[in-house]
Amino acid sequence: ETGVTQSPTHLIKTRGQQVTLRCSSQSGHNTVSWYQQALGQGPQFIFQYYREEENGRGNFPPRFSGLQFPNYSSELNVNALELDDSALYLCASSLLTGELFFGEGSRLTVL
Amino acid sequence: QKEVEQNSGPLSVPEGAIASLNCTYSDRVSQSFFWYRQYSGKSPELIMSIYSNGDKEDGRFTAQLNKASQYVSLLIRDSQPSDSATYLCAALSTGNQFYFGTGTSLTVIP
Repeated sequence: ETGVTQSPTHLIKTRGQQVTLRCSSQSGHNTVSWYQQALGQGPQFIFQYYREEENGRGNFPPRFSGLQFPNYSSELNVNALELDDSALYLCASSLLTGELFFGEGSRLTVL
Repeated sequence: QKEVEQNSGPLSVPEGAIASLNCTYSDRVSQSFFWYRQYSGKSPELIMSIYSNGDKEDGRFTAQLNKASQYVSLLIRDSQPSDSATYLCAALSTGNQFYFGTGTSLTVIP
């Protein structure tokens, strides 16, 4: 059984640029959710995808967008990057109302 | 009130002692609760889930849920230095959204 994998693990962008983060879900899981974790804080829910449809969204602006593919992998896209977007971005896979299993995260630094 | 609230600590206990971590939640979350452990620089890993009122034990860990008081706790018996980490309480809302607390930092002193 393969776990959740994310790429890239680290990246540096400048303000105004765009970034795409990728996630492969755990085998058998049909739901992927994305979280932003700032230093010293708990993960904050960005959105969730279930069977390729957005199934819930947290308090994040529209420049945060995503996709889920037929194989249940997912992308998180962030446009017009701001300094405050610097954080650890976590992808988690699950069954729809089940326990979350996290990938190792993508650490984004915006300069 | 935030959906999930935790005391950020830090909490320090001697090796072999019981560590007690607490979490309160609001009416906006459902009755599914989870404890995650996060080592510095790593992603959260699931310790256990609890759905029913009462206690649930798994090895050295016991989760307790009190729905009347809207209170969830995690007890770690025989604490080990390897238990030193941040512990995150999480709850699932009726809209299938997970809410996390800010985490409690635990240090187990050898």
